[in-house]
Amino acid sequence: GAVVSQHPSRVICKSGTSVKIECRSLDFQATTMFWYRQFPKKSLMLMATSNEGSKATYEQGVEKDKFLINHASLTLSTLTVTSAHPEDSSFYICSALTLAGASYNEQFFGPGTRLTVL
Amino acid sequence: AQTVTQSQPEMSVQEAETVTLSCTYDTSENNYYLFWYKQPPSRQMILVIRQEAYKQQNATENRFSVNFQKAAKSFSLKISDSQLGDTAMYFCAFMQFPGTYKYIFGTGTRLKVLA
Repeated sequence: GAVVSQHPSRVICKSGTSVKIECRSLDFQATTMFWYRQFPKKSLMLMATSNEGSKATYEQGVEKDKFLINHASLTLSTLTVTSAHPEDSSFYICSALTLAGASYNEQFFGPGTRLTVL
Repeated sequence: AQTVTQSQPEMSVQEAETVTLSCTYDTSENNYYLFWYKQPPSRQMILVIRQEAYKQQNATENRFSVNFQKAAKSFSLKISDSQLGDTAMYFCAFMQFPGTYKYIFGTGTRLKVLA
């Protein structure tokens, strides 16, 4: 149980275009989802926290208009990188958390999406 | 604000030997969770072990165990009988509970198991 998927796993796009990344909790309802960015050989950097039905909470320094997050249902959150530029190239990871019936409050991670902007 | 420190950027260990990865954290809270995650080359984050701060007993999962010293704010991971498949990046993470459920990650330790 507790599987989180991300789609696509890899995406290459041209500078100036927008890219949408989906994060789905497959076998549980996620009250909260998190979006991270990871640079090569670095730690995960939290970008934002997304709660179903409400606006995402962004970490300091993360551009809200650049990284649009929508948590439309208890199993789906999307991250849209708008007007992508080469500096947005990175590995993006989502995680999901459920508070329902859990003994431990643990984030379950997706496999990540590698974004390359040409 | 809470912080997590992993002071060993890289480590190596011979296959079948034991290795300990260190993690210290800083918090003024009393209730929290601590985690060790493994990130292999596939980059999928895999939970290795977790510890609730209110539990004095150290958590163990097969070859993995922790030494949780709450007063010293230390949370080290011991890997026994190291295997080639243990080669990965290891991250220590802190989560305050209750709260925002955000993780605060350390900078990671790259572990290489040598044949």
